[in-house]
Amino acid sequence: GENVEQHPSTLSVQEGDSAVIKCTYSDSASNYFPWYKQELGKGPQLIIDIRSNVGEKKDQRIAVTLNKTAKHFSLHITETQPEDSAVYFCAASINAGNMLTFGGGTRLMVKP
Amino acid sequence: GAVVSQHPSWVICKSGTSVKIECRSLDFQATTMFWYRQFPKQSLMLMATSNEGSKATYEQGVEKDKFLINHASLTLSTLTVTSAHPEDSSFYICSAPTRQEGTDTQYFGPGTRLTVL
Repeated sequence: GENVEQHPSTLSVQEGDSAVIKCTYSDSASNYFPWYKQELGKGPQLIIDIRSNVGEKKDQRIAVTLNKTAKHFSLHITETQPEDSAVYFCAASINAGNMLTFGGGTRLMVKP
Repeated sequence: GAVVSQHPSWVICKSGTSVKIECRSLDFQATTMFWYRQFPKQSLMLMATSNEGSKATYEQGVEKDKFLINHASLTLSTLTVTSAHPEDSSFYICSAPTRQEGTDTQYFGPGTRLTVL
């Protein structure tokens, strides 16, 4: 089955700096790669996703890149703000209608 | 985005009792829903796939007789934790995929925190 590794497990940045979180996956059949933000005591919130037919996707301060050959994808957050502080999870799946395999999570702390 | 709700948001019960958790898709129909479990400071682990009108599919190591899943309609799936014990205390989260504007996406509910005393 699919295995998703996520690094780093914790990340502390200064407000305004960029944050990068990286994930690798094992199953070459995976084509759907979402990123979720989870605040304490809440369910995961989809922030961006990418499919295997594109290499990069951007939405305002958030961007995701995908390298299918190397089986890794990354989340980039620019101009970080304190409200970006949360746990971020990457995931992989064959498609969006299928079960997701999650990475271990990254606790992002943005210091004012 | 689409909305998935869960009820209750939290529940405390005594050991040996059963607890039912509901997952609803509020503005779309979902023939499939997924149930995940999340222990403190850990990732989400898939427990089972809930299929409308048929039996759920359980992941390896998840006891189907302990975690009963019923997907009786296109907008509701329920997870019943039977004879709950303290080790069942966890954050239970459901998700449902949907197609919006021609694109498939999966949305999560807000989660249900179960504490078994």
